Amino acid sequence: DTEVTQTPKHLVMGMTNKKSLKCEQHMGHRAMYWYKQKAKKPPELMFVYSYEKLSINESVPSRFSPECPNSSLLNLHLHALQPEDSALYLCASSRNSGRVRGTGELFFGEGSRLTVL
Amino acid sequence: AQSVSQHNHHVILSEAASLELGCNYSYGGTVNLFWYVQYPGQHLQLLLKYFSGDPLVKGIKGFEAEFIKSKFSFNLRKPSVQWSDTAEYFCAEGSQGNLIFGKGTKLSVKP
Repeated sequence: DTEVTQTPKHLVMGMTNKKSLKCEQHMGHRAMYWYKQKAKKPPELMFVYSYEKLSINESVPSRFSPECPNSSLLNLHLHALQPEDSALYLCASSRNSGRVRGTGELFFGEGSRLTVL
Repeated sequence: AQSVSQHNHHVILSEAASLELGCNYSYGGTVNLFWYVQYPGQHLQLLLKYFSGDPLVKGIKGFEAEFIKSKFSFNLRKPSVQWSDTAEYFCAEGSQGNLIFGKGTKLSVKP
């Protein structure tokens, strides 16, 4: 079992829907991440939050909108997605994030499998 | 910019065979190196990590990796694989505030 909890596990949405993915960790970690993983591909970084502030946005389209309400929660708001956005969305957390000390170990959730029709 | 290369796309072994999966990274400074494993239908799990110190790192489930700075390599090894090691293996580097993954190596172990 992982200590990073993601909900929902599966989501099917239409291109006009608005939905959200949620992620929660209670390890006291101060960095949280969203990754996107397509089948048979490695995870690709989307966003990094460090101390509840967005520190990295890897040129992700605006139809994906991250939010970090507090140090334990991370949301990914979805709107007007395309079928090619169908993927496994992984949340992760780490004790630190920074260009000085590096990320340390990332703890991953089981992912939310998104299908866009 | 960081990059991580895994040259083996799919490795097929019989049980009890020895394993070595290659990983090369491009970043020339102090590195944070990881091997993660993803079993079918499961989340990514850390096998081992290297930040500094002894370049031979031991991880869980009998895996180890050797950091060779001169070769920019961090290869994963296991002396004797089991069927339960069938999974996708990802090398990653995380010194720049995020974690960059290699393309992954699928390991299939035949019973």
